[in-house]
Amino acid sequence: NAGVMQNPRHLVRRRGQEARLRCSPMKGHSHVYWYRQLPEEGLKFMVYLQKENIIDESGMPKERFSAEFPKEGPSILRIQQVVRGDSAAYFCASSSPGEKLFFGSGTQLSVL
Amino acid sequence: QQQVKQSPQSLIVQKGGISIINCAYENTAFDYFPWYQQFPGKGPALLIAIRPDVSEKKEGRFTISFNKSAKQFSLHIMDSQPGDSATYFCAPSINPGNTGKLIFGQGTTLQVKP
Repeated sequence: NAGVMQNPRHLVRRRGQEARLRCSPMKGHSHVYWYRQLPEEGLKFMVYLQKENIIDESGMPKERFSAEFPKEGPSILRIQQVVRGDSAAYFCASSSPGEKLFFGSGTQLSVL
Repeated sequence: QQQVKQSPQSLIVQKGGISIINCAYENTAFDYFPWYQQFPGKGPALLIAIRPDVSEKKEGRFTISFNKSAKQFSLHIMDSQPGDSATYFCAPSINPGNTGKLIFGQGTTLQVKP
């Protein structure tokens, strides 16, 4: 069991570019969550998805951010027109219904 | 809006000592009280968790103490080891099994000196 896989581990973008972060949940998990961690802070919930559905996006910024979890393939967190304030570690977690969350190792996004 | 407050921010303990980290919360609807452990470059991993119907839970060297009336819960690490050096987060929540929505504290960086 490979665990929750995130890639890339590190992503560097210039201001105005797009960032795509990928997350493959643990085998058998149908729920995916994205969290953001700013330096010296705890993780902040962004969005909760099930296959082809966004269940709760209350933590997502209203603009430039979107997430999907298609029927086939990994979950994608997409950030358009990145700004310096988007620099953070983005963590994906997955779970089975009603079970505890398992986190990936994160993607460190740096915006130049 | 600060729903969860951890203390201390950092902690240095000698090997073999007891590490104690506290978490205070505001939302009385929380019904799940976990502690997560995070090593540098890794995601957080669930260490131990408690439900509000018990006041204490022990797993090996790790114990959660829960005080519902004070809206606080704490993590105690007995016989602390250098391998315990990590950042610890409390993350209380409401029915996380259905929402996955954890409210993380700011974190406590623990250093255990050999």
